[in-house]
Amino acid sequence: DAGITQSPRHKVTETGTPVTLRCHQTENHRYMYWYRQDPGHGLRLIHYSYGVKDTDKGEVSDGYSVSRSKTEDFLLTLESATSSQTSVYFCATRVPGDYGYTFGSGTRLTVV
Amino acid sequence: AQSVTQLDSQVPVFEEAPVELRCNYSSSVSVYLFWYVQYPNQGLQLLLKYLSGSTLVKGINGFEAEFNKSQTSFHLRKPSVHISDTAEYFCAVSGVQGAQKLVFGQGTRLTINP
Repeated sequence: DAGITQSPRHKVTETGTPVTLRCHQTENHRYMYWYRQDPGHGLRLIHYSYGVKDTDKGEVSDGYSVSRSKTEDFLLTLESATSSQTSVYFCATRVPGDYGYTFGSGTRLTVV
Repeated sequence: AQSVTQLDSQVPVFEEAPVELRCNYSSSVSVYLFWYVQYPNQGLQLLLKYLSGSTLVKGINGFEAEFNKSQTSFHLRKPSVHISDTAEYFCAVSGVQGAQKLVFGQGTRLTINP
């Protein structure tokens, strides 16, 4: 989507290394979310943010941390990557008053 | 907490045939309901949403869905599909208060055969 940029788009990393994924939005939306997508599981919420420095855990938060120091940026960190974290990661924002989400294009992460 | 079950993981249909993708949800509170589509190697695009009011909701690309509160269902339908409808479809639910976190079903892969 034009308002959300995820970086990098693809990454291969080794087991045990830290990895940070970035989500950048230009719409000044308050709520931001990180999801992971795996076959047979749909999308599952990792962490979300309801404002600068305000974050909370989602359904599958173990092994992940997040930070939001500015409204426009929401970072997802894998503190020590494992093969089970190989996935496609999507960032989303919620459009105020519209109740719809806007999704980024995703980051494909492979942990070897 | 909410949960969503998409009853079919794969649905093959012929071009110009009708299709129904089934979705059931569970929630102890009032919900909003959504259908998203994901084309290969792309992000998710909103097809339609139910917030309140009429239980029949029309979306983009000729899709519609009907909210049935007594059966806790939100099935997606299209009267005549095209090859370009080949994609994965996700049903999702959120509560109406607070962070309104989206909870997704497992997805249904729709394959259109000529």
